[in-house]
Amino acid sequence: GAGVSQSPSNKVTEKGKDVELRCDPISGHTALYWYRQSLGQGLEFLIYFQGNSAPDKSGLPSDRFSAERTGGSVSTLTIQRTQQEDSAVYLCASGIAGGGETQYFGPGTRLLVL
Amino acid sequence: AQSVTQLGSHVSVSEGALVLLRCNYSSSVPPYLFWYVQYPNQGLQLLLKYTSAATLVKGINGFEAEFKKSETSFHLTKPSAHMSDAAEYFCAVRGLYTGFQKLVFGTGTRLLVSP
Repeated sequence: GAGVSQSPSNKVTEKGKDVELRCDPISGHTALYWYRQSLGQGLEFLIYFQGNSAPDKSGLPSDRFSAERTGGSVSTLTIQRTQQEDSAVYLCASGIAGGGETQYFGPGTRLLVL
Repeated sequence: AQSVTQLGSHVSVSEGALVLLRCNYSSSVPPYLFWYVQYPNQGLQLLLKYTSAATLVKGINGFEAEFKKSETSFHLTKPSAHMSDAAEYFCAVRGLYTGFQKLVFGTGTRLLVSP
């Protein structure tokens, strides 16, 4: 596709359930990022994948959060035992790594934990 | 470390008036600076970016920004606001060198445009 796609667009879950959020980056983009946008915290970096390098997980808020990127393309962000404070919009971005590369954002997944 | 401060969570202008959205940055290394726009229920769209070339950067939709190192600022301007400019605007910074890949965002400024 022409842009970054994310699914689902909306997700409602119950506290304590696990959720998986998917990101399809732009074809050929080697860098992939996850961010979280919430009312209280603004836009926060979560995790960064670049090629075959070890991901930068420095932004993950707790060990309930994990992400993987299969085959250098699609990425899945998993939140285990969801809490109400996990409610937010989860944004994925991709780019071509190098100095000053632009990050292209997907439309986001809006997660609501009841 | 990098950080960004956006002054004013809301800015209101009349259609046709000058738009000025303020962004000040802090960076321990030469920065790359970005402005993104977010329309309701959409992702972020890049307006423009500064990558150490020209200090005056022109972007899409008639927006431009000037990098001023002495003031550590990267304010976004547009000479004449249009109703379609109403959205939330985010300034972001990252380090110039590889290894500082993540974007650090400001808290955003919501632009309101009245007829």
